[in-house]
Amino acid sequence: GESVGLHLPTLSVQEGDNSIINCAYSNSASDYFIWYKQESGKGPQFIIDIRSNMDKRQGQRVTVLLNKTVKHLSLQIAATQPGDSAVYFCAENGANSKLTFGKGITLSVRP
Amino acid sequence: DAMVIQNPRYQVTQFGKPVTLSCSQTLNHNVMYWYQQKSSQAPKLLFHYYDKDFNNEADTPDNFQSRRPNTSFCFLDIRSPGLGDAAMYLCATSRDRSGDTQYFGPGTRLTVL
Repeated sequence: GESVGLHLPTLSVQEGDNSIINCAYSNSASDYFIWYKQESGKGPQFIIDIRSNMDKRQGQRVTVLLNKTVKHLSLQIAATQPGDSAVYFCAENGANSKLTFGKGITLSVRP
Repeated sequence: DAMVIQNPRYQVTQFGKPVTLSCSQTLNHNVMYWYQQKSSQAPKLLFHYYDKDFNNEADTPDNFQSRRPNTSFCFLDIRSPGLGDAAMYLCATSRDRSGDTQYFGPGTRLTVL
């Protein structure tokens, strides 16, 4: 059968609160970053991206912040809803043009 | 809507019995990727096609092969599935390799009996 992976870290938030999901990346040469949302049994869904010449980008209810000095990426979700419950992956696109995924964080929204 | 389609969504095969998973895209993207994702883990890249150019990852077992007969379709062949190959297999596409967003299909859940 399938091998058992590590349990993902979980962030639990109250419905209506803001969520902040953090990610540390490894390659200082990475120039493009993406956040994906993956619901159970589905493929990763693109949420928002940011290039290395920016430090902030906003979408609908989501904001991505990039701190290149400390190689840190965060995803902020405003007014978190039950439908936001999922696993969130950050991904970096490095010099080899391949996506390297972070470990993933489970967001759980309490009603 | 333009999208990435994977068939079947669920596939059951027997230990050692060859299986083929398919992916199609209507995005007209140049690059198609195959990832393996096991429970509670990030997707792991197996290989990708840039147009007709096949690019294998160094740690992808020989048991995994791929074909891309045209721009729209890409297949993942597992020649002799083992129990450890049970996983979600994800297809993704991007317009180009460098700094372009990858769009994922819904995945095929493979069970090996």
